[in-house]
Amino acid sequence: AQTVTQSQPEMSVQEAETVTLSCTYDTSESNYYLFWYKQPPSRQMILVIRQEAYKQQNATENRFSVNFQKAAKSFSLKISDSQLGDTAMYFCASGRRGKLTFGQGTILTVHP
Amino acid sequence: NAGVTQTPKFQVLKTGQSMTLQCAQDMNHEYMSWYRQDPGMGLRLIHYSVGAGITDQGEVPNGYNVSRSTTEDFPLRLLSAAPSQTSVYFCASSLPQGAYNEQFFGPGTRLTVL
Repeated sequence: AQTVTQSQPEMSVQEAETVTLSCTYDTSESNYYLFWYKQPPSRQMILVIRQEAYKQQNATENRFSVNFQKAAKSFSLKISDSQLGDTAMYFCASGRRGKLTFGQGTILTVHP
Repeated sequence: NAGVTQTPKFQVLKTGQSMTLQCAQDMNHEYMSWYRQDPGMGLRLIHYSVGAGITDQGEVPNGYNVSRSTTEDFPLRLLSAAPSQTSVYFCASSLPQGAYNEQFFGPGTRLTVL
Protein backbone atom coordinates (compact mmCIF):
# COMPACT_ATOMS: atom_id res chain seq x y z
CA ALA A 1 0.00 0.00 0.00
CA GLN A 2 1.12 3.50 -0.71
CA THR A 3 0.97 6.37 1.74
CA VAL A 4 1.58 10.07 1.30
CA THR A 5 1.97 12.39 4.28
CA GLN A 6 1.82 16.16 4.35
CA SER A 7 2.68 17.24 7.87
CA GLN A 8 1.79 20.93 7.48
CA PRO A 9 -2.00 21.47 7.54
CA GLU A 10 -1.57 25.23 7.01
CA MET A 11 1.19 27.55 5.89
CA SER A 12 1.37 31.27 5.26
CA VAL A 13 3.83 33.48 3.43
CA GLN A 14 4.21 37.11 2.50
CA GLU A 15 3.88 38.10 -1.11
CA ALA A 16 7.21 37.88 -3.02
CA GLU A 17 8.77 35.59 -0.41
CA THR A 18 9.65 31.90 -0.71
CA VAL A 19 7.81 29.02 0.96
CA THR A 20 8.44 25.27 1.07
CA LEU A 21 5.72 22.65 1.46
CA SER A 22 6.75 19.23 2.79
CA CYS A 23 5.71 15.79 1.59
CA THR A 24 6.90 12.30 2.44
CA TYR A 25 5.69 9.10 0.84
CA ASP A 26 6.04 5.36 1.00
CA THR A 27 5.58 2.98 -1.90
CA SER A 28 6.45 -0.55 -2.92
CA GLU A 29 6.50 0.41 -6.60
CA SER A 30 9.84 0.53 -8.37
CA ASN A 31 8.64 2.89 -11.08
CA TYR A 32 6.35 5.71 -10.04
CA TYR A 33 5.63 9.39 -10.45
CA LEU A 34 5.24 12.21 -7.98
CA PHE A 35 3.01 15.23 -8.38
CA TRP A 36 1.99 18.45 -6.72
CA TYR A 37 -1.55 19.60 -7.45
CA LYS A 38 -3.08 22.95 -6.58
CA GLN A 39 -6.74 23.31 -5.65
CA PRO A 40 -8.03 26.90 -5.48
CA PRO A 41 -11.45 27.74 -4.05
CA SER A 42 -12.96 26.90 -7.44
CA ARG A 43 -12.21 23.28 -6.51
CA GLN A 44 -10.50 22.54 -9.84
CA MET A 45 -7.42 20.32 -9.53
CA ILE A 46 -4.48 21.94 -11.33
CA LEU A 47 -1.16 20.20 -11.91
CA VAL A 48 1.72 22.32 -10.58
CA ILE A 49 4.74 20.11 -11.14
CA ARG A 50 5.65 16.46 -11.69
CA GLN A 51 8.67 14.25 -11.20
CA GLU A 52 9.60 10.82 -12.52
CA ALA A 53 11.04 8.82 -9.65
CA TYR A 54 13.88 7.38 -11.74
CA LYS A 55 15.13 10.86 -12.64
CA GLN A 56 17.58 12.33 -10.16
CA GLN A 57 17.32 15.86 -11.48
CA ASN A 58 14.79 17.96 -9.59
CA ALA A 59 11.89 19.25 -11.66
CA THR A 60 11.29 22.98 -12.07
CA GLU A 61 8.40 24.92 -13.58
CA ASN A 62 8.92 28.68 -13.52
CA ARG A 63 8.55 29.74 -9.85
CA PHE A 64 7.92 26.17 -8.68
CA SER A 65 10.62 23.63 -7.96
CA VAL A 66 10.92 20.40 -6.03
CA ASN A 67 13.52 18.85 -3.79
CA PHE A 68 13.28 15.12 -4.50
CA GLN A 69 15.17 12.90 -2.07
CA LYS A 70 14.45 9.35 -3.23
CA ALA A 71 16.28 7.54 -0.43
CA ALA A 72 14.46 9.59 2.18
CA LYS A 73 11.17 9.35 0.21
CA SER A 74 10.76 13.08 0.44
CA PHE A 75 9.26 15.38 -2.21
CA SER A 76 8.99 19.00 -1.09
CA LEU A 77 7.66 21.91 -3.17
CA LYS A 78 9.34 25.30 -3.17
CA ILE A 79 7.40 28.32 -4.38
CA SER A 80 9.55 31.35 -5.09
CA ASP A 81 8.31 34.94 -5.43
CA SER A 82 4.93 33.97 -3.97
CA GLN A 83 1.90 35.63 -5.52
CA LEU A 84 -1.60 36.22 -4.18
CA GLY A 85 -2.89 33.78 -6.81
CA ASP A 86 -0.86 31.01 -5.20
CA THR A 87 -3.32 30.96 -2.31
CA ALA A 88 -4.87 27.48 -2.46
CA MET A 89 -4.82 23.97 -1.07
CA TYR A 90 -1.81 21.98 -2.29
CA PHE A 91 -1.78 18.21 -2.58
CA CYS A 92 1.19 15.93 -2.96
CA ALA A 93 0.49 12.65 -4.81
CA SER A 94 2.32 9.49 -5.77
CA GLY A 95 1.45 6.70 -8.20
CA ARG A 96 1.09 5.62 -11.81
CA ARG A 97 -1.29 3.96 -14.27
CA GLY A 98 -4.38 5.88 -13.22
CA LYS A 99 -3.87 5.21 -9.52
CA LEU A 100 -2.75 8.10 -7.37
CA THR A 101 -2.41 8.27 -3.60
CA PHE A 102 -2.82 11.77 -2.21
CA GLY A 103 -1.66 13.46 0.94
CA GLN A 104 -4.02 15.29 3.25
CA GLY A 105 -3.24 18.67 1.74
CA THR A 106 -1.64 21.92 2.90
CA ILE A 107 -3.59 25.17 2.87
CA LEU A 108 -1.27 27.94 1.69
CA THR A 109 -2.21 31.56 2.25
CA VAL A 110 -0.22 34.33 0.60
CA HIS A 111 -0.52 37.67 2.41
CA PRO A 112 -0.09 41.03 0.65
CA ASN B 1 -11.45 19.77 -26.45
CA ALA B 2 -13.81 19.85 -23.50
CA GLY B 3 -11.34 17.78 -21.43
CA VAL B 4 -12.95 15.86 -18.57
CA THR B 5 -16.59 16.71 -17.92
CA GLN B 6 -18.72 15.69 -14.97
CA THR B 7 -22.44 15.93 -14.38
CA PRO B 8 -24.15 17.00 -12.26
CA LYS B 9 -22.13 19.68 -10.43
CA PHE B 10 -24.31 19.42 -7.31
CA GLN B 11 -26.70 16.75 -6.08
CA VAL B 12 -28.74 16.14 -2.94
CA LEU B 13 -30.02 12.64 -2.25
CA LYS B 14 -32.00 10.99 0.49
CA THR B 15 -30.64 7.93 2.23
CA GLY B 16 -31.36 4.84 0.18
CA GLN B 17 -31.74 6.59 -3.16
CA SER B 18 -29.63 5.58 -6.12
CA MET B 19 -27.93 7.74 -8.72
CA THR B 20 -25.21 7.81 -11.31
CA LEU B 21 -22.45 10.37 -11.53
CA GLN B 22 -21.45 10.88 -15.12
CA CYS B 23 -17.89 11.34 -16.37
CA ALA B 24 -16.73 11.76 -19.96
CA GLN B 25 -13.45 12.68 -21.61
CA ASP B 26 -12.68 13.56 -25.22
CA MET B 27 -8.89 13.13 -25.12
CA ASN B 28 -8.86 9.43 -26.01
CA HIS B 29 -7.31 8.62 -22.63
CA GLU B 30 -7.14 4.95 -21.70
CA TYR B 31 -6.97 5.43 -17.94
CA MET B 32 -9.91 6.83 -16.01
CA SER B 33 -10.38 7.09 -12.25
CA TRP B 34 -12.87 8.17 -9.60
CA TYR B 35 -11.80 9.86 -6.36
CA ARG B 36 -13.67 11.25 -3.42
CA GLN B 37 -12.47 14.23 -1.40
CA ASP B 38 -13.35 14.58 2.25
CA PRO B 39 -12.13 17.30 4.63
CA GLY B 40 -8.71 16.53 6.12
CA MET B 41 -8.28 13.34 4.07
CA GLY B 42 -7.19 14.47 0.64
CA LEU B 43 -8.46 12.53 -2.36
CA ARG B 44 -9.00 8.80 -2.13
CA LEU B 45 -9.30 6.42 -5.08
CA ILE B 46 -12.67 4.68 -5.42
CA HIS B 47 -12.40 2.76 -8.71
CA TYR B 48 -10.24 3.01 -11.77
CA SER B 49 -10.10 1.65 -15.32
CA VAL B 50 -7.15 0.99 -17.63
CA GLY B 51 -9.34 0.62 -20.71
CA ALA B 52 -12.81 -0.18 -22.02
CA GLY B 53 -14.17 -3.27 -20.30
CA ILE B 54 -11.53 -3.27 -17.56
CA THR B 55 -12.16 -1.88 -14.08
CA ASP B 56 -10.66 -2.43 -10.65
CA GLN B 57 -11.17 -1.31 -7.08
CA GLY B 58 -9.27 1.44 -5.40
CA GLU B 59 -8.87 2.27 -1.73
CA VAL B 60 -12.55 2.95 -0.87
CA PRO B 61 -14.79 0.97 -3.31
CA ASN B 62 -17.61 -0.10 -0.97
CA GLY B 63 -21.01 1.29 -1.94
CA TYR B 64 -19.95 2.19 -5.47
CA ASN B 65 -20.13 0.42 -8.83
CA VAL B 66 -18.49 1.30 -12.11
CA SER B 67 -18.43 0.04 -15.67
CA ARG B 68 -16.49 1.12 -18.75
CA SER B 69 -18.23 0.24 -21.99
CA THR B 70 -16.50 2.95 -24.06
CA THR B 71 -13.16 4.74 -23.89
CA GLU B 72 -14.93 8.08 -23.37
CA ASP B 73 -17.31 7.34 -20.48
CA PHE B 74 -16.80 6.10 -16.94
CA PRO B 75 -19.97 6.45 -14.81
CA LEU B 76 -19.99 5.95 -11.05
CA ARG B 77 -23.12 4.39 -9.53
CA LEU B 78 -24.36 4.69 -5.98
CA LEU B 79 -26.87 1.90 -5.51
CA SER B 80 -28.18 2.91 -2.07
CA ALA B 81 -26.84 6.24 -0.90
CA ALA B 82 -25.69 6.66 2.69
CA PRO B 83 -24.77 9.84 4.63
CA SER B 84 -21.16 8.58 4.71
CA GLN B 85 -21.07 9.09 0.95
CA THR B 86 -21.50 12.83 1.32
CA SER B 87 -18.38 14.12 -0.41
CA VAL B 88 -16.94 15.83 -3.45
CA TYR B 89 -16.32 13.39 -6.29
CA PHE B 90 -13.67 13.85 -8.95
CA CYS B 91 -13.22 11.97 -12.17
CA ALA B 92 -9.79 11.94 -13.82
CA SER B 93 -8.22 10.58 -16.97
CA SER B 94 -4.70 10.01 -18.25
CA LEU B 95 -2.62 8.40 -20.96
CA PRO B 96 -0.74 5.21 -20.17
CA GLN B 97 2.53 6.60 -21.44
CA GLY B 98 4.16 9.92 -21.82
CA ALA B 99 3.33 13.18 -20.02
CA TYR B 100 4.49 11.54 -16.81
CA ASN B 101 1.15 9.80 -16.38
CA GLU B 102 -0.39 13.19 -15.60
CA GLN B 103 -4.04 12.90 -14.59
CA PHE B 104 -6.50 15.48 -15.89
CA PHE B 105 -9.35 16.16 -13.49
CA GLY B 106 -12.96 17.08 -14.04
CA PRO B 107 -14.57 19.97 -12.12
CA GLY B 108 -16.05 17.70 -9.45
CA THR B 109 -19.54 16.85 -8.18
CA ARG B 110 -20.61 17.87 -4.69
CA LEU B 111 -22.93 15.19 -3.33
CA THR B 112 -24.96 15.53 -0.14
CA VAL B 113 -26.84 12.54 1.28
CA LEU B 114 -29.46 13.40 3.87
